[in-house]
Amino acid sequence: DQQVKQNSPSLSVQEGRISILNCDYTNSMFDYFLWYKKYPAEGPTFLISISSIKDKNEDGRFTVFLNKSAKHLSLHIVPSQPGDSAVYFCARQGGSEKLVFGKGMKLTVNP
Amino acid sequence: DAGITQSPRHKVTETGTPVTLRCHQTENHRYMYWYRQDPGHGLRLIHYSYGVKDTDKGEVSDGYSVSRSKTEDFLLTLESATSSQTSVYFCAINNPPGGTDTQYFGPGTRLTVL
Repeated sequence: DQQVKQNSPSLSVQEGRISILNCDYTNSMFDYFLWYKKYPAEGPTFLISISSIKDKNEDGRFTVFLNKSAKHLSLHIVPSQPGDSAVYFCARQGGSEKLVFGKGMKLTVNP
Repeated sequence: DAGITQSPRHKVTETGTPVTLRCHQTENHRYMYWYRQDPGHGLRLIHYSYGVKDTDKGEVSDGYSVSRSKTEDFLLTLESATSSQTSVYFCAINNPPGGTDTQYFGPGTRLTVL
C-alpha cells in the first residue's frame, strides 16, 4: 500500500520553461512533505519541504504546493535549468521519524 | 554536506555469502537509516536506529539485520545474500525532534549478488 504516489515516471522540458512534478498521497495524517533530488551515482539531497498546515512554500526557483482537499503535492521549478535534470522523489513524514518515498520521477531539462 | 560515508562503495558477492555494509557519520546525529533503491520502487526503508543499541524494522527488513554500537556507526548485514538483494543501498541520518524531518543521505553502496 503505497501511501505516496508519483504516477509519471518521467518529464522532459525545455530550458527556461516551468517544470511541474506531481505527487499524490492516500493518508492525511502527515506532518510534512518533502522533495529530494538525486543525481546518478550520488545520494538523494533534500530540496524543499512543506508543513501540512501550509499551502505553499517557496525557495528561489523551487515552489511546493499542497492541496489537502485533493491530497496532491506539486513541485514547480521556474525557470528550469539543465542542471535540474535528475530524479525527484517526494516523501511524507508523520507521527514518527520515518519517511515514506514515492517511486521517483526523472526530469530532463533540454538546453 | 553532512558528514556521511559509506563503505564499501561497490561490492560484488556470491549468493549465500554474508555481507556487511558500513555507514559512518561525523555529525553526532541520533537517528540513522538504511534504505535500498530499486527501479520502480523508489527508496524503501530497511531498518533504522534511534540511538545506540536502539533499532527497529522498516518496510523491507526481511533478510537484513543491523547493529549500532556507537553513535557514529550503523552496520547493515545480509546474513546470506540473495540475488534479490542486488540493489543500491543508502544510509541517512537526522537529528529530531522538531521541525522538518530532513534526512541527509550518504553516497550509496552498489551491491551485486551473483
